[in-house]
Amino acid sequence: QKEVEQNSGPLSVPEGAIASLNCTYSDRGSQSFFWYRQYSGKSPELIMSIYSNGDKEDGRFTAQLNKASQYVSLLIRDSQPSDSATYLCAVGLSGNTGKLIFGQGTTLQVKP
Amino acid sequence: DGGITQSPKYLFRKEGQNVTLSCEQNLNHDAMYWYRQDPGQGLRLIYYSQIVNDFQKGDIAEGYSVSREKKESFPLTVTSAQKNPTAFYLCASSRAGGNEQFFGPGTRLTVL
Repeated sequence: QKEVEQNSGPLSVPEGAIASLNCTYSDRGSQSFFWYRQYSGKSPELIMSIYSNGDKEDGRFTAQLNKASQYVSLLIRDSQPSDSATYLCAVGLSGNTGKLIFGQGTTLQVKP
Repeated sequence: DGGITQSPKYLFRKEGQNVTLSCEQNLNHDAMYWYRQDPGQGLRLIYYSQIVNDFQKGDIAEGYSVSREKKESFPLTVTSAQKNPTAFYLCASSRAGGNEQFFGPGTRLTVL
């Protein structure tokens, strides 16, 4: 059974700090990795995609991928109260199925 | 505006009833997916379809059925055989060969 693991949190950071969210996965053949943000009662919103080892930056968000360690992370710089949400890590399964496996999500609380 | 619509937003079902959840997309995506989310849980795949008139079971297909007669539409029926159907149901779509999935707003189903 392919798995994606996240710490459920909550992760609490003060406004303006860097929030670091982590995810590990079991499928060594995975080639695509995603971070979704989900506000309470709403559907997930895709915020970052990463396919190659290293860092990918988009505004205040940086995704980091290390395939050798089977580890993906999301850094949120200058955290704002509006960033308070659950962040879901999703990993594309190896093989051309288009299927994603989701972690259970990490709840982030940004305190003013 | 391109996007994914789901209806209804809220649905109440009596035990023993079948109900059908609607999902429509105008993104011209080939692949569509149905997920279930329970409180504090990640997303679990129910069914997916990569092309019209073809679909595959996901991890928790028992008690559910789908059809894919049109590219734009992927309705999900929750049958009376599904013993614990109360959950948040999410429909997603993606381009052929791509893993980036985009979600509709969801349908919250409650069994009375």
